[in-house]
Amino acid sequence: DIQMTQSPSSLSTSIGDRVTITCRASQNIRTFLNWYQQKPGKAPKLLIYAASNLHSGVPSRFSGSGSGTDFTLTISSLQPEDFATYYCQQSYNTPPWTFGLGTKVEIK
Amino acid sequence: QVQLVESGGGLVKPGGSLRLSCAASGFSFRDYYMSWIRQAPERGLEWVSYISRSGDTIYYADSVKGRFIISRDNAKNSLYLQMGSLRAEDTAIYYCARGGCRGGSCYLDAWGQGTLVTVSS
Repeated sequence: DIQMTQSPSSLSTSIGDRVTITCRASQNIRTFLNWYQQKPGKAPKLLIYAASNLHSGVPSRFSGSGSGTDFTLTISSLQPEDFATYYCQQSYNTPPWTFGLGTKVEIK
Repeated sequence: QVQLVESGGGLVKPGGSLRLSCAASGFSFRDYYMSWIRQAPERGLEWVSYISRSGDTIYYADSVKGRFIISRDNAKNSLYLQMGSLRAEDTAIYYCARGGCRGGSCYLDAWGQGTLVTVSS
Protein backbone atom coordinates (compact mmCIF):
# COMPACT_ATOMS: atom_id res chain seq x y z
CA ASP A 1 0.00 0.00 0.00
CA ILE A 2 1.03 3.60 -0.59
CA GLN A 3 2.15 5.36 2.58
CA MET A 4 1.52 9.07 3.12
CA THR A 5 3.81 11.07 5.39
CA GLN A 6 2.73 14.53 6.56
CA SER A 7 4.87 17.14 8.20
CA PRO A 8 4.84 18.73 10.59
CA SER A 9 2.49 16.74 12.83
CA SER A 10 1.52 19.98 14.53
CA LEU A 11 2.34 23.65 14.35
CA SER A 12 1.59 26.73 16.38
CA THR A 13 0.89 29.84 14.43
CA SER A 14 -0.87 33.21 14.50
CA ILE A 15 -3.74 34.85 12.70
CA GLY A 16 -2.52 36.27 9.41
CA ASP A 17 0.47 33.93 9.11
CA ARG A 18 1.25 31.94 6.01
CA VAL A 19 1.07 28.21 6.73
CA THR A 20 2.60 25.40 4.70
CA ILE A 21 1.94 21.71 5.26
CA THR A 22 3.73 19.02 3.30
CA CYS A 23 2.73 15.52 2.32
CA ARG A 24 5.02 12.90 0.82
CA ALA A 25 3.89 9.71 -0.91
CA SER A 26 5.89 6.49 -0.77
CA GLN A 27 5.64 6.20 -4.57
CA ASN A 28 4.71 8.35 -7.55
CA ILE A 29 1.01 9.19 -7.36
CA ARG A 30 1.05 11.81 -10.11
CA THR A 31 -1.51 14.39 -8.93
CA PHE A 32 -3.95 11.99 -7.25
CA LEU A 33 -3.78 13.82 -3.95
CA ASN A 34 -6.55 15.40 -1.89
CA TRP A 35 -6.56 17.60 1.20
CA TYR A 36 -9.21 17.64 3.94
CA GLN A 37 -9.85 19.86 6.95
CA GLN A 38 -11.29 18.50 10.18
CA LYS A 39 -12.40 20.54 13.16
CA PRO A 40 -12.87 18.95 16.62
CA GLY A 41 -16.01 16.85 16.84
CA LYS A 42 -16.84 17.36 13.17
CA ALA A 43 -16.54 15.33 10.01
CA PRO A 44 -13.72 16.11 7.58
CA LYS A 45 -14.36 18.47 4.67
CA LEU A 46 -12.75 18.38 1.25
CA LEU A 47 -10.52 21.38 0.54
CA ILE A 48 -8.38 20.48 -2.47
CA TYR A 49 -8.63 17.64 -4.99
CA ALA A 50 -6.21 16.48 -7.67
CA ALA A 51 -3.37 18.26 -5.86
CA SER A 52 -4.28 21.81 -6.83
CA ASN A 53 -8.00 22.14 -7.51
CA LEU A 54 -10.03 24.11 -4.98
CA HIS A 55 -13.27 22.38 -3.99
CA SER A 56 -16.46 24.39 -4.39
CA GLY A 57 -16.97 26.94 -1.63
CA VAL A 58 -13.44 26.72 -0.22
CA PRO A 59 -11.82 30.13 0.35
CA SER A 60 -9.11 31.14 -2.09
CA ARG A 61 -6.54 31.53 0.71
CA PHE A 62 -6.19 27.74 0.49
CA SER A 63 -4.03 26.36 -2.29
CA GLY A 64 -2.36 23.10 -3.17
CA SER A 65 0.61 22.18 -5.29
CA GLY A 66 2.87 19.30 -6.17
CA SER A 67 3.02 16.15 -8.22
CA GLY A 68 4.75 12.81 -8.08
CA THR A 69 5.66 12.25 -4.45
CA ASP A 70 5.79 15.72 -2.89
CA PHE A 71 2.80 17.93 -2.21
CA THR A 72 2.03 21.12 -0.33
CA LEU A 73 -1.06 22.71 1.19
CA THR A 74 -0.71 26.44 1.77
CA ILE A 75 -2.93 28.80 3.70
CA SER A 76 -1.91 32.28 2.59
CA SER A 77 -3.23 34.21 5.59
CA LEU A 78 -4.51 32.14 8.49
CA GLN A 79 -7.97 33.01 9.75
CA PRO A 80 -9.51 32.05 13.14
CA GLU A 81 -11.72 29.44 11.51
CA ASP A 82 -8.70 27.68 9.98
CA PHE A 83 -7.47 26.22 13.25
CA ALA A 84 -8.07 22.55 12.60
CA THR A 85 -6.37 19.32 11.62
CA TYR A 86 -5.47 18.82 7.96
CA TYR A 87 -5.13 15.46 6.22
CA CYS A 88 -3.76 14.50 2.85
CA GLN A 89 -5.13 11.44 1.05
CA GLN A 90 -3.93 9.64 -2.06
CA SER A 91 -6.41 8.27 -4.59
CA TYR A 92 -3.95 6.76 -7.02
CA ASN A 93 -5.19 3.77 -8.94
CA THR A 94 -7.60 1.46 -7.09
CA PRO A 95 -8.16 1.55 -3.31
CA PRO A 96 -6.86 1.36 -0.61
CA TRP A 97 -6.76 5.17 -0.62
CA THR A 98 -4.59 6.02 2.35
CA PHE A 99 -4.54 9.15 4.49
CA GLY A 100 -1.65 10.92 6.10
CA LEU A 101 -1.56 11.07 9.89
CA GLY A 102 -2.65 14.69 9.95
CA THR A 103 -1.26 18.12 10.82
CA LYS A 104 -2.84 19.98 13.70
CA VAL A 105 -2.76 23.76 13.30
CA GLU A 106 -2.96 25.45 16.68
CA ILE A 107 -3.01 29.00 17.98
CA LYS A 108 0.34 30.28 19.19
CA GLN B 1 -28.71 19.79 0.12
CA VAL B 2 -26.48 16.75 0.23
CA GLN B 3 -26.99 14.83 3.45
CA LEU B 4 -25.50 11.60 4.76
CA VAL B 5 -26.75 10.23 8.06
CA GLU B 6 -25.09 7.23 9.68
CA SER B 7 -26.75 5.00 12.24
CA GLY B 8 -26.27 1.64 13.92
CA GLY B 9 -23.25 2.32 16.08
CA GLY B 10 -23.03 1.27 19.69
CA LEU B 11 -21.27 -0.89 22.25
CA VAL B 12 -20.46 -4.45 21.21
CA LYS B 13 -18.36 -7.20 22.77
CA PRO B 14 -15.19 -8.48 21.12
CA GLY B 15 -16.08 -11.08 18.53
CA GLY B 16 -19.51 -9.56 18.05
CA SER B 17 -21.21 -8.07 15.01
CA LEU B 18 -22.81 -4.78 14.09
CA ARG B 19 -24.44 -3.33 11.00
CA LEU B 20 -23.99 0.31 10.15
CA SER B 21 -26.31 2.19 7.81
CA CYS B 22 -25.93 5.45 5.95
CA ALA B 23 -29.02 7.20 4.58
CA ALA B 24 -28.34 9.51 1.66
CA SER B 25 -30.47 12.40 0.46
CA GLY B 26 -30.19 15.53 -1.66
CA PHE B 27 -28.40 13.89 -4.58
CA SER B 28 -28.74 10.98 -6.98
CA PHE B 29 -27.27 8.25 -4.81
CA ARG B 30 -26.97 5.71 -7.61
CA ASP B 31 -24.61 8.01 -9.53
CA TYR B 32 -21.87 8.07 -6.92
CA TYR B 33 -19.42 5.60 -5.49
CA MET B 34 -19.39 5.49 -1.70
CA SER B 35 -16.84 4.78 1.00
CA TRP B 36 -16.58 4.13 4.72
CA ILE B 37 -13.80 5.83 6.66
CA ARG B 38 -13.13 5.45 10.38
CA GLN B 39 -11.33 7.42 13.05
CA ALA B 40 -10.18 5.83 16.29
CA PRO B 41 -10.31 8.08 19.39
CA GLU B 42 -7.71 10.85 19.14
CA ARG B 43 -6.31 9.28 15.98
CA GLY B 44 -6.23 10.03 12.28
CA LEU B 45 -8.48 8.94 9.45
CA GLU B 46 -8.39 5.39 8.11
CA TRP B 47 -10.05 4.49 4.81
CA VAL B 48 -12.07 1.29 5.33
CA SER B 49 -14.00 0.32 2.21
CA TYR B 50 -15.24 1.40 -1.24
CA ILE B 51 -18.23 0.36 -3.32
CA SER B 52 -18.89 1.35 -6.91
CA ARG B 53 -22.12 2.93 -8.13
CA SER B 54 -23.68 -0.37 -9.09
CA GLY B 55 -22.11 -2.30 -6.24
CA ASP B 56 -20.17 -4.65 -8.49
CA THR B 57 -16.72 -3.37 -7.50
CA ILE B 58 -15.68 -3.43 -3.86
CA TYR B 59 -12.43 -2.87 -2.01
CA TYR B 60 -11.43 -3.19 1.64
CA ALA B 61 -8.54 -2.12 3.81
CA ASP B 62 -6.39 -5.08 4.84
CA SER B 63 -7.30 -4.38 8.48
CA VAL B 64 -10.98 -5.31 7.85
CA LYS B 65 -10.79 -7.68 4.90
CA GLY B 66 -12.68 -10.90 5.59
CA ARG B 67 -14.53 -9.38 8.54
CA PHE B 68 -16.47 -6.43 7.08
CA ILE B 69 -18.88 -6.36 4.15
CA ILE B 70 -19.93 -3.20 2.36
CA SER B 71 -23.16 -3.06 0.40
CA ARG B 72 -25.67 -0.59 -0.96
CA ASP B 73 -29.33 -0.42 -1.91
CA ASN B 74 -29.79 2.21 -4.60
CA ALA B 75 -33.58 1.91 -4.40
CA LYS B 76 -33.39 2.91 -0.74
CA ASN B 77 -30.56 5.44 -1.14
CA SER B 78 -28.66 3.58 1.53
CA LEU B 79 -25.15 2.34 2.21
CA TYR B 80 -24.31 -0.39 4.70
CA LEU B 81 -21.33 -1.85 6.52
CA GLN B 82 -21.75 -5.27 8.09
CA MET B 83 -19.02 -5.68 10.66
CA GLY B 84 -18.12 -9.06 12.15
CA SER B 85 -15.46 -10.59 14.40
CA LEU B 86 -15.07 -7.17 15.97
CA ARG B 87 -11.90 -6.32 17.86
CA ALA B 88 -11.00 -3.58 20.31
CA GLU B 89 -8.98 -1.89 17.57
CA ASP B 90 -12.16 -1.47 15.52
CA THR B 91 -13.37 1.08 18.08
CA ALA B 92 -13.84 4.29 16.14
CA ILE B 93 -16.21 6.81 14.67
CA TYR B 94 -17.35 5.45 11.32
CA TYR B 95 -18.10 7.95 8.58
CA CYS B 96 -19.78 7.30 5.27
CA ALA B 97 -18.63 9.54 2.46
CA ARG B 98 -19.70 10.27 -1.09
CA GLY B 99 -17.11 9.85 -3.79
CA GLY B 100 -16.60 12.10 -6.75
CA CYS B 101 -14.22 11.87 -9.65
CA ARG B 102 -13.09 14.55 -12.06
CA GLY B 103 -10.55 14.08 -14.79
CA GLY B 104 -9.73 10.66 -13.41
CA SER B 105 -8.97 11.99 -9.94
CA CYS B 106 -11.28 10.78 -7.19
CA TYR B 107 -12.06 12.34 -3.81
CA LEU B 108 -14.58 12.30 -0.95
CA ASP B 109 -16.70 15.40 -1.26
CA ALA B 110 -19.47 14.86 1.28
CA TRP B 111 -19.32 13.17 4.68
CA GLY B 112 -21.84 12.14 7.29
CA GLN B 113 -21.56 13.14 10.93
CA GLY B 114 -20.33 9.69 11.91
CA THR B 115 -21.51 6.92 14.21
CA LEU B 116 -19.45 5.64 17.14
CA VAL B 117 -18.64 1.95 17.43
CA THR B 118 -17.13 0.80 20.71
CA VAL B 119 -15.80 -2.74 21.03
CA SER B 120 -15.30 -3.65 24.66
CA SER B 121 -16.15 -6.41 27.10
